[in-house]
Amino acid sequence: QKEVEQNSGPLSVPEGAIASLNCTYSDRVSQSFFWYRQYSGKSPELIMSIYSNGDKEDGRFTAQLNKASQYVSLLIRDSQPSDSATYLCAVNINEKSSGDKLTFGTGTRLAVRP
Amino acid sequence: DVKVTQSSRYLVKRTGEKVFLECVQDMDHENMFWYRQDPGLGLRLIYFSYDVKMKEKGDIPEGYSVSREKKERFSLILESASTNQTSMYLCASGTGVPNEQFFGPGTRLTVL
Repeated sequence: QKEVEQNSGPLSVPEGAIASLNCTYSDRVSQSFFWYRQYSGKSPELIMSIYSNGDKEDGRFTAQLNKASQYVSLLIRDSQPSDSATYLCAVNINEKSSGDKLTFGTGTRLAVRP
Repeated sequence: DVKVTQSSRYLVKRTGEKVFLECVQDMDHENMFWYRQDPGLGLRLIYFSYDVKMKEKGDIPEGYSVSREKKERFSLILESASTNQTSMYLCASGTGVPNEQFFGPGTRLTVL
């Protein structure tokens, strides 16, 4: 079973701080990695995609990928109370019998304190 | 913007009923997916489709079937609803490689 692991949290940070969310995965050949944000009672929303080792920045969000360590992270700078949500890590895994599928972690709940 | 819509936000059904959940996307995506989401278990893939009239089993297909007669529409069918199928059902569509997926609003199904 190919897995994606996240700490369930809650991760509590003060407003204005940097929130760091981490994810490890087991499939060495995965090439595509995604972060989704999910507010309580809502569906997941894609916020970042990353395909190459290193950092990718988009506004206050930075995704970091290290394929050698099988590790992907999401940094949220200047955290706001509106960032309080569950963040899901998703990894694209190719299965020879059925093609590409996303495997999701169970999510990390982030709480930003005003 | 990608728009994925689902037929109902909330649905209550009785054990043994046949249940249809419909999903429509307006971005001409080839790929469509059905997931269920349960506390502590995360998102689990039920079925997916890479083309019209084509379907593939996901990780938990038992008790479900699907239909894709048109590219934009993907239906999930619970042949005989059971209480353990009470869950949030999420439809997604995507373009393929690199497999970015976009979700609909979800249907919270309760089976009594």
